[in-house]
Amino acid sequence: EAEVAQSPRYKITEKSQAVAFWCDPISGHATLYWYRQILGQGPELLVQFQDESVVDDSQLPKDRFSAERLKGVDSTLKIQPAELGDSAMYLCASSLEGTTYEQYFGPGTRLTVT
Amino acid sequence: GENVEQHPSTLSVQEGDSAVIKCTYSDSASNYFPWYKQELGKGPQLIIDIRSNVGEKKDQRIAVTLNKTAKHFSLHITETQPEDSAVYFCAAVEGYQKVTFGTGTKLQVIP
Repeated sequence: EAEVAQSPRYKITEKSQAVAFWCDPISGHATLYWYRQILGQGPELLVQFQDESVVDDSQLPKDRFSAERLKGVDSTLKIQPAELGDSAMYLCASSLEGTTYEQYFGPGTRLTVT
Repeated sequence: GENVEQHPSTLSVQEGDSAVIKCTYSDSASNYFPWYKQELGKGPQLIIDIRSNVGEKKDQRIAVTLNKTAKHFSLHITETQPEDSAVYFCAAVEGYQKVTFGTGTKLQVIP
C-alpha cells in the first residue's frame, strides 16, 4: 500500500538553529499539505500545495517558516530560526486532485527545540 | 473561519461496549466530514467520512451520522476492542479541501 514518507522521524535542535523536514507524497497525489500538531491538539494546517503552487499559506509564520515543492512532487518545510514554541509534530499529507477529499498522512516528524 | 468542537476529550469504555464521539461545526459551507484515528507516534489515519448529502454511513463496526441543520456529526463505534484505543479526530472541510480539525478524543477500551 502506498504511503506518505517523511524524514527525519525525530529532530532535536537548539533554538535559533535552522531545521528542515522532507515529505514525499503518494505517487500521483497533486495536493500536499503540511500540518503542525501540538501535543494534545488537532493538526493545524500550515501550507497547502497544488502541484508546485501554494494554495493556502495563511497560517504559515512566514517570518521564520518556508515551504517549497519545486517539481510538484516532494516538499521541504524549513524553520529558521527555530524557537522553543516550535516544538511539535509536523505532519505531511497528500490527496488526489479534484473532488476527492481524502487526505493520507505520513508518520510525522517530532521536533524538539531546546 | 470554521470552528470545530469535539466532545468528550477522553472516553473510557469496557471492551464490547459502544463509544460515541460528537462534533459540532460553525460554517454551513462545510460539506465533507472525515474522522481520523491517531495511534501513538503515528500520523492520523482516515477511518470513515461522510459528505453533506448523506445522513448516515456505516462501515462494519464504525458509523457516522450527520445533522446539517444542527451542524453536528457523530462517530459511533460498536463492539469496541482494545485495538480501538487511540485518539480520534473529527474534521470539517469547506471549499477546496480546507480542513479544520477538532481537538481530539482519547478513547481507552478496557479489556
